[in-house]
Amino acid sequence: KAGVTQTPRYLIKTRGQQVTLSCSPISGHRSVSWYQQTPGQGLQFLFEYFSETQRNKGNFPGRFSGRQFSNSRSEMNVSTLELGDSALYLCASSAGTGYGYTFGSGTRLTVV
Amino acid sequence: GIQVEQSPPDLILQEGANSTLRCNFSDSVNNLQWFHQNPWGQLINLFYIPSGTKQNGRLSATTVATERYSLLYISSSQTTDSGVYFCAGGAGGGADGLTFGKGTHLIIQP
Repeated sequence: KAGVTQTPRYLIKTRGQQVTLSCSPISGHRSVSWYQQTPGQGLQFLFEYFSETQRNKGNFPGRFSGRQFSNSRSEMNVSTLELGDSALYLCASSAGTGYGYTFGSGTRLTVV
Repeated sequence: GIQVEQSPPDLILQEGANSTLRCNFSDSVNNLQWFHQNPWGQLINLFYIPSGTKQNGRLSATTVATERYSLLYISSSQTTDSGVYFCAGGAGGGADGLTFGKGTHLIIQP
């Protein structure tokens, strides 16, 4: 079956702009979570959605937001981009409690 | 929050060698997982192992939940094993998200 699909793979944005990243989970998986990876901070949890509800959010400013649709696809949005938002953004899906996470290939965002 | 410590941070081995990677948690976790990140950034799930021992080919993992640590064993290393190995876990069933360690950077030389 198809894996976790993230689009786009690469993105270059200018400071102050906003960006929307998309994630399609494995068919049947209702849990989708997002992570930011930077050389300095490593992998950090952004938020997790289950059946269209955000169940938890990591320690990130309000500029970072997300949502999940009824088909389990998820989007995350970053508004008013800053240079420090340059990172690899990874999405993971899971069948639920007691199951491992499957990650997508990520979206590499560069803010200039 | 939960702290995850991985050791060693870097490891250089010759092809065919065996290795053991360790992961310590500051508190109990119930969804401990091991991942391998390849040079292109793809995170591959190796094991979902909240407790006990699992094996998959040349890789095996053991988690001692009561002592809050996990070990990843790689036997007969191949150059394709190179990359960064992460362990991660969370306190909740999934809603809390995963806390990742800083990883072990493994280089297998031919």
